[in-house]
Amino acid sequence: DTAVSQTPKYLVTQMGNDKSIKCEQNLGHDTMYWYKQDSKKFLKIMFSYNNKELIINETVPNRFSPKSPDKAHLNLHINSLELGDSAVYFCASSHEPQGRGKNIQYFGAGTRLSVL
Amino acid sequence: GENVGLHLPTLSVQEGDNSIINCAYSNSASDYFIWYKQESGKGPQFIIDIRSNMDKRQGQRVTVLLNKTVKHLSLQIAATQPGDSAVYFCAERDGGFKTIFGAGTRLFVKA
Repeated sequence: DTAVSQTPKYLVTQMGNDKSIKCEQNLGHDTMYWYKQDSKKFLKIMFSYNNKELIINETVPNRFSPKSPDKAHLNLHINSLELGDSAVYFCASSHEPQGRGKNIQYFGAGTRLSVL
Repeated sequence: GENVGLHLPTLSVQEGDNSIINCAYSNSASDYFIWYKQESGKGPQFIIDIRSNMDKRQGQRVTVLLNKTVKHLSLQIAATQPGDSAVYFCAERDGGFKTIFGAGTRLFVKA
C-alpha cells in the first residue's frame, strides 16, 4: 500500500488554466506538506498543515491555495497557471509537526506539472 | 535565501568504494539534521538523521557526521552499490518550524 499518494502523476495544461493536485496519506500522521522542486532539483517548502490547520505558508503566489478537508488529505489548487509554475510538486507527511522532536517526512512520488 | 548546501554537485564513485557527500549549513540555531535520498522519478526518502547534541550516528552502511564548529554535515556510504545512485539531500530544521533542504548532490556509481 502506498503511504503518501498523489494524483495525478503527470499534469500538462495551458497557461491560464486552473488545476488541482490531490494528496492522501494512510500513515496516521498529523502534519502534511507541499513542496515544489524545480528543474535543478531544488526542493522548497510551500505549505504545511497540522491537524487541518495551516502552520507554514511560505511566500508563494496567492494563486496557490492548499485545502485540508481532514488530516489525511491535503490538496493543492492552482489558479491561472503560468509557465513558471512548471515543476514537480511533492506532498509529504510526518508524525510530528516541525519544531518538536524528530521530523521524518514521508514523500509522495510527485506530480510533474508542465504549463504550456 | 536558503541556508543549506551548495548548487547541485555530482559525485562519481566506483562500485564498492566508500562515498562521502558533504553539506554546509549556515544557521547555528539548527537543532536537527536529516539526509534524504531521491531516486529518479520518485520522492525523497529518509536515510538517517542526527540531533545537534550528537556528532556521529550510524545506520546500515551509512554514517552521518556533524561538525557544529564549522557547520558541516556529511553522509558516508560504505561499499557503494549501483542502487545507491540518486540525488542526496541534507536538510536542517532551523530551530523553529521549518525544515530547509539543501540543493542536493547527485551520486553516480560506476559498475
